[in-house]
Amino acid sequence: QSALTQPASVSGSPGQSITISCTGTSSDVGTYNFVSWYQQHPGKAPKLMVYEVSKWPSGVSDRFSGSKSGNTASLTISGLQADDEADYYCCSYAGSRPYVFGTGTKVTVL
Amino acid sequence: EVQLVESGGGLVQPGGSLRLSCAASGFIFGNYWMNWVRQAPGKGLEWVASIKQDGTAEYYVDSVKGRFTISRDSAKNSLYLHMNSLRAEDTAVYYCARDLDHVRGFDYWGQGTLVTVSS
Repeated sequence: QSALTQPASVSGSPGQSITISCTGTSSDVGTYNFVSWYQQHPGKAPKLMVYEVSKWPSGVSDRFSGSKSGNTASLTISGLQADDEADYYCCSYAGSRPYVFGTGTKVTVL
Repeated sequence: EVQLVESGGGLVQPGGSLRLSCAASGFIFGNYWMNWVRQAPGKGLEWVASIKQDGTAEYYVDSVKGRFTISRDSAKNSLYLHMNSLRAEDTAVYYCARDLDHVRGFDYWGQGTLVTVSS
């Protein structure tokens, strides 16, 4: 049950856009449109930011957008803000397993 | 307001047992799949176990199969994780998380409870 692969870190300046990738396999990301993304500030519980690849939960800013192509899902944060600095994790449904998380990406706002 | 409150964490020796609890409120507990997700110190998130609304289906990550048991009590609006034969690598913050709608994502999380396995 290997974790999905994410870059260890991504950075950007306020107002810029950044994209975090999440690479899986044909057993998870590539087959199912059930990819979700979570934001986690230090010492806090994760927060759902995107579900089913590109849908927003109530109350989440549309600056966070998700997409998927083949075995790779992506989260784009536009109009980067200081409070976006956090760790981000993707997660995919994987059939019989049934969930696998990504390795996590630390977003730094320069 | 949806709330999930975990309890039961603590220090336990290798080979020992522990039972975690998650008290749910603010929603109809029996309508949702529930999960445990853990995070080792300084590490990423790892899904641990899931249980169906009526408790008739359970799933586990391979590393805990045969050692951990997830259960629920709808009368008490509570989720549990029974952990046996604990190992040092089980040391983590354990989060209780609600399924938005099965497989779509985890929409509410508790604050977590720390389990430390050490002699």
